[in-house]
Amino acid sequence: GEDVEQSLFLSVREGDSSVINCTYTDSSSTYLYWYKQEPGAGLQLLTYIFSNMDMKQDQRLTVLLNKKDKHLSLRIADTQTGDSAIYFCAETGSGGYNKLIFGAGTRLAVHP
Amino acid sequence: DADVTQTPRNRITKTGKRIMLECSQTKGHDRMYWYRQDPGLGLRLIYYSFDVKDINKGEISDGYSVSRQAQAKFSLSLESAIPNQTALYFCATSDAGMETVTDTQYFGPGTRLTVL
Repeated sequence: GEDVEQSLFLSVREGDSSVINCTYTDSSSTYLYWYKQEPGAGLQLLTYIFSNMDMKQDQRLTVLLNKKDKHLSLRIADTQTGDSAIYFCAETGSGGYNKLIFGAGTRLAVHP
Repeated sequence: DADVTQTPRNRITKTGKRIMLECSQTKGHDRMYWYRQDPGLGLRLIYYSFDVKDINKGEISDGYSVSRQAQAKFSLSLESAIPNQTALYFCATSDAGMETVTDTQYFGPGTRLTVL
């Protein structure tokens, strides 16, 4: 079945880079997404990558996709305290309709 | 004003009570979703609707029902609430459709439901 896995927790020092990893099982996924959830709020789309790309950069964010290994990562350069949040990886499921399959989320803690 | 709103934002209720959570959107999207979020489990899909006449079960629909009253409104009901339905509930809309290939979802702020 479809599954998306992420580590649950990551702690980094302010100013360092953060790398959040995700693995997925559905090789037919067309798009893969990263969402951010700040405390007390809903999820907000950070970025997405099309499955025929291997990298996408958007300001401090870099998404890397290894389709062979079904591995997706999100790198945040110069991590700030405002980046503290839960980050969810998601893929479009198969089955003939668009449906997002979410990972459990990685809680990023940024400390001074 | 927020594009996706949910009411109430917090609710405490007792076992056996009927509860309705409401969601409204001003984004003009056809697709709407209800998820629940539990710590360590991420988001799980309860129900989704691709248009006003379309209702589909998600992965955890047992104990829940929905109503799509209009394009802009999608409500979730718990007919007889039980404690393991204590969770954070999110409504979302999607821009997926004939003219878009992505499925960007836009989330409401969530409803925290506690069933005692």
